[in-house]
Amino acid sequence: DADVTQTPRNRITKTGKRIMLECSQTKGHDRMYWYRQDPGLGLRLIYYSFDVKDINKGEISDGYSVSRQAQAKFSLSLESAIPNQTALYFCATSDSGRGYYGYTFGSGTRLTVV
Amino acid sequence: AQSVTQLDSQVPVFEEAPVELRCNYSSSVSVYLFWYVQYPNQGLQLLLKYLSGSTLVESINGFEAEFNKSQTSFHLRKPSVHISDTAEYFCAVSEGGSEKLVFGKGTKLTVNP
Repeated sequence: DADVTQTPRNRITKTGKRIMLECSQTKGHDRMYWYRQDPGLGLRLIYYSFDVKDINKGEISDGYSVSRQAQAKFSLSLESAIPNQTALYFCATSDSGRGYYGYTFGSGTRLTVV
Repeated sequence: AQSVTQLDSQVPVFEEAPVELRCNYSSSVSVYLFWYVQYPNQGLQLLLKYLSGSTLVESINGFEAEFNKSQTSFHLRKPSVHISDTAEYFCAVSEGGSEKLVFGKGTKLTVNP
């Protein structure tokens, strides 16, 4: 099994629908992140969590919310999806104090909002 | 605030040719620097990193990057590329004391036969 698992891998949803993207990890890392990737824009940070009770907004958090259900689980929700939220979403993890050793990324969720 | 500029969005090269992917950053404090690679339809994988010490860092598959503090650059190089190096490459920076990564917009490397 992958160290960082994202579900679903692909999703098509309609404008206005609520959708949740899930991320779980077996790395034992305490820090988790959600990024979105858009062609030509690279990766931009949506939310991050340094532990279960510590959740922070990233640079593009508007229209998104998150939940850290446990150390191993970090979910991203779109309360009312809109077409410009069509993107590739990545979850990543790191170990506190060792984040400089690099993040571990999931394989991504490709979300299309029609 | 820190930022990362990857100067080329696309770099086409022929197999066995040398390649350089350029990355510049802006930060007023010490930084940690990373290169990640994304193969088609996959997530990002750490290619190499600079934390401290020697300014030249190497990966296991022949890539190297050199930290140049005076030019605030961390360019990625490989003397001879393979078809399998075709991927998108992302430069990322973390300011000292922060574990949030800021990514560049990516450079698509296409290696042609």
